[in-house]
This record gives sequence, structure tokens and C-alpha cells, in this order.
Amino acid sequence: KNQVEQSPQSLIILEGKNCTLQCNYTVSPFSNLRWYKQDTGRGPVSLTIMTFSENTKSNGRYTATLDADTKQSSLHITASQLSDSASYICVVSEGGSYIPTFGRGTSLIVHP
Amino acid sequence: DAGVTQSPTHLIKTRGQQVTLRCSPKSGHDTVSWYQQALGQGPQFIFQYYEEEERQRGNFPDRFSGHQFPNYSSELNVNALLLGDSALYLCASSLDRGNYEQYFGPGTRLTVT
Repeated sequence: KNQVEQSPQSLIILEGKNCTLQCNYTVSPFSNLRWYKQDTGRGPVSLTIMTFSENTKSNGRYTATLDADTKQSSLHITASQLSDSASYICVVSEGGSYIPTFGRGTSLIVHP
Repeated sequence: DAGVTQSPTHLIKTRGQQVTLRCSPKSGHDTVSWYQQALGQGPQFIFQYYEEEERQRGNFPDRFSGHQFPNYSSELNVNALLLGDSALYLCASSLDRGNYEQYFGPGTRLTVT
């Protein structure tokens, strides 16, 4: 069964600090991996998308890494801002399937 | 360029009733997927529509049905509502080629009492 596990479940950091969120998956065959940011009660917004051949992708202060051999990904947030407070969801798509597998998300709270 | 839109924003229904949720995809997108997201959980795939046909379906009962119109907009219907159907319902659109990147709408919050 395809699974996506995210850690930590929740994280509290001070404004200006960096943090790293983790994603482990068992989806096979692998097609692509996406990180989304979801504000409370809103739809997810795409941050990065990576295919098998990519191991790093940046979007402003967000940098995602992918290790397809170990089936792990991370999302690094630099110089956090209050507006970064949200849930960050890792989504992995299986080759040949239209059904992506979502992680439960990491809830990030940034305090001033 | 309008993104994905959904209506209504919020909805309150009683157990046993039926509900219809609507979605307009991002301009140029031809594929619509529906998701159910319970509080504190990740979205769960309900089904996907392409060329007005249900292309793939997740693990949801037949009470959940949908439709896609020629203009690619879509509806999600839920019959015989249960308390457990209370959730945020998300619509996502994509283009049926390339990396299938999905763009999500703001969601419809359904509360069943």
C-alpha cells in the first residue's frame, strides 16, 4: 500500500529561524513529489514539484530536496516569517496512476 | 487568469439530506479531481473526471457521485449524508499532460448535523 509519512507532526519556531520538514514515502513506481502549503480552512498551494531526476528545487525561501534511492524528501524553510504558519503537505504520485498519495502534513507555527 | 473556484464556501446540512458542490477549473485545464479533507488530516482522493467521464475513483461509497460538464466544470453530489461526511471538500484542476500539476480551489466546508 502506498504511504507518505511526514515528520514532525507539528513544529513551533521563532520568527527568523530556519526549519526542516521531513517526508518518507513508499509509493512505487515513483512519478513525482510535491510540497504544498495549506493555510487553515483553505486549499493547498503548490510550493515545489520534483521528478525522479531532480534532487533539489527552490521557491524563494523554500528549498525541497529529494533522495529517490532512500525515498525521502525534505522541505527547508529559511528565515521564517509569521505568514509561514500553515500546514505543509507532502504529496507523491505513482507512475501510471492518477491518484496521488497525501501525507497528513506538518503543522508549523511561527511565533514573533 | 481565474484560478479554481468552488461554491458554496460553507454549507450546513442535516443527516440524510443530499448536497451538491460545484467547481470551476483553472482556465485551460481539462481534468478535475475531488478530495475530502477531515480536520487535521491530509486530503483523501474521491474521484477524477476527464472528458466528462469518471476516470479513477478512490475508496468512497456510491453515495458520492459526480459529473463533469462540456466546459470542464464539475459537480460533486453526496446522498444520504452522514455525520462523518462533515469535512472540507477540495476541488483540484490540472492539464491531462505534462506533470499533471494540480491547482486547488479554496474548498467547501460541509457541516452535517
